[in-house]
Amino acid sequence: SQQGEEDPQALSIQEGENATMNCSYKTSINNLQWYRQNSGRGLVHLILIRSNEREKHSGRLRVTLDTSKKSSSLLITASRAADTASYFCATDEETSGSRLTFGEGTQLTVNP
Amino acid sequence: NAGVTQTPKFQVLKTGQSMTLQCAQDMNHEYMSWYRQDPGMGLRLIHYSVGAGITDQGEVPNGYNVSRSTTEDFPLRLLSAAPSQTSVYFCASSYSYPGAYNSPLHFGNGTRLTVT
Repeated sequence: SQQGEEDPQALSIQEGENATMNCSYKTSINNLQWYRQNSGRGLVHLILIRSNEREKHSGRLRVTLDTSKKSSSLLITASRAADTASYFCATDEETSGSRLTFGEGTQLTVNP
Repeated sequence: NAGVTQTPKFQVLKTGQSMTLQCAQDMNHEYMSWYRQDPGMGLRLIHYSVGAGITDQGEVPNGYNVSRSTTEDFPLRLLSAAPSQTSVYFCASSYSYPGAYNSPLHFGNGTRLTVT
């Protein structure tokens, strides 16, 4: 079964607006990662946040993690048409050993 | 660098046929894995390997075999293809286990498989 559930499933915004995607998970984790997937391509790693961190930034990306609520959010600021992609969270569960579990993804469309 | 290379890009099989999806990486990564991606279900782990000679099952291993005779290669074998195996298959590798800091997964561009 999937560890992560993402919300919304699809998001459409205008260029320049901010995009927020959410991920909820079920079990205790060591860390949570976000990946991006452009159409027809493989996933690309964006950012990792550890379970003892609450917020992390990378360029226009801001990730938060609330382990008490078992949830994370990815904020993309000042979005661009090139940000159009699917975004996935992936969790490293404490009991999973050597595996990541991916959510179902959020499809983001940024309209020029 | 080529990164993670998957072949073929597209494949059509008939039910009952077998085939091997190839995956090679040139980053000297110890960890390699296979995922399948289906609409509405995200990515599900099929098999993974933490080093040459070591493989283990993921979430959905039935109908698939893997081997890891070298660090670079991690082929996925479909033993007797079924329509339920129609999917997009991704190979991914990382320096060490993918939850470790500075060891993100690197993905190939996928193999789109259709079983009729």
